[in-house]
Amino acid sequence: KAGVTQTPRYLIKTRGQQVTLSCSPISGHRSVSWYQQTPGQGLQFLFEYFSETQRNKGNFPGRFSGRQFSNSRSEMNVSTLELGDSALYLCASSLEGQADKFFGPGTRLTVL
Amino acid sequence: GIQVEQSPPDLILQEGANSTLRCNFSDSVNNLQWFHQNPWGQLINLFYIPSGTKQNGRLSATTVATERYSLLYISSSQTTDSGVYFCAVAAFKGGSNYKLTFGKGTLLTVNP
Repeated sequence: KAGVTQTPRYLIKTRGQQVTLSCSPISGHRSVSWYQQTPGQGLQFLFEYFSETQRNKGNFPGRFSGRQFSNSRSEMNVSTLELGDSALYLCASSLEGQADKFFGPGTRLTVL
Repeated sequence: GIQVEQSPPDLILQEGANSTLRCNFSDSVNNLQWFHQNPWGQLINLFYIPSGTKQNGRLSATTVATERYSLLYISSSQTTDSGVYFCAVAAFKGGSNYKLTFGKGTLLTVNP
């Protein structure tokens, strides 16, 4: 069974631009969650989706948003990029919200 | 929210040595996972272990939920074991909140 896939793997943007990251969960998994990893803050929860509904959101500004489609694929969007948004963005999928989570390879975003 | 502390923060071993990594958490949990982050940033699942003991080859893990800690044992370490090991937990309060809260990780270096 194919694992979690994320595209693109690397991205370079400039301040003020917006970016959209994509995540395809493991087949049959209905829960998708997103995490941001930075050297200073570590791994932090962004949001979690289940059956196209956002069930939980982390402590991030409104510039960070996401959605989930009927095929469970998810996208996250960051508008008006700031230098501090440079990070590794990791997507995880699970059968249900409370089941063990499996992570994708991540998207490394650099904001210049 | 729940707090997760990992120790030691750094560990240097010679190949063939054994090691124990510890994860303490501040509240009852429904989900506890151990991950190994590879050099490219992907989180590799090691164990899903909210309670009890599991073994997988040279790795084993034990979670004592009543005392709020988990241990990851690595025996006969190899250079390929190097990397950061994360413990992550989730507590389902009121039937929701499926986010994982991560510790800061243990950086393991295995020298040949």
